[in-house]
Amino acid sequence: DAKTTQPTSMDCAEGRAANLPCNHSTISGNEYVYWYRQIHSQGPQYIIHGLKNNETNEMASLIITEDRKSSTLILPHATLRDTAVYYCIVRAAGGTSYGKLTFGQGTILTVHP
Amino acid sequence: EAQVTQNPRYLITVTGKKLTVTCSQNMNHEYMSWYRQDPGLGLRQIYYSMNVEVTDKGDVPEGYKVSRKEKRNFPLILESPSPNQTSLYFCASGLGTSGAYEQYFGPGTRLTVT
Repeated sequence: DAKTTQPTSMDCAEGRAANLPCNHSTISGNEYVYWYRQIHSQGPQYIIHGLKNNETNEMASLIITEDRKSSTLILPHATLRDTAVYYCIVRAAGGTSYGKLTFGQGTILTVHP
Repeated sequence: EAQVTQNPRYLITVTGKKLTVTCSQNMNHEYMSWYRQDPGLGLRQIYYSMNVEVTDKGDVPEGYKVSRKEKRNFPLILESPSPNQTSLYFCASGLGTSGAYEQYFGPGTRLTVT
């Protein structure tokens, strides 16, 4: 699986957009980009995933660059409850270690009032 | 409401006393998995199951057993718990195949073994 690189921490003002970057320069053509978050000691929460097109759901938007080497998760109007660790994960459908999600260090997002 | 439930949520036990942590999902998911989370080590997969009666080891299976007799349930069994199994445990479920990585996690079980 492609390695991902994320900033260790980011801050955001409440009500503003939070843009969380992820670098995955060695991504393969069949690998998806997944985003999860974990609010302190709660179970990780699935946010969104994409292959090459930009995706949007009720929680966030995912922007994937044309060369697919990086992506950005956008929380359009961050609230205090969005303070969490955000994980960018790259996985191919199927393959070895089926279903295993490998959570790296992630980005600690702190939303300030 | 679609959810993954775990019981108990908190458990303090003694070394060697067998225990079971239950996990149940109501989403008809094929895939289920157990993780443990420890400070500085992140989430590590213990066991997973791709369907009923199909289970396999994850990264840290030693000291744990699982079974998958029904689609909705995936209990984690500690036959002889030891202090190094003190951890926060999460169960997760997901659709098979293309949905394998869109997973839903339970609220966690905090286990302390003294």
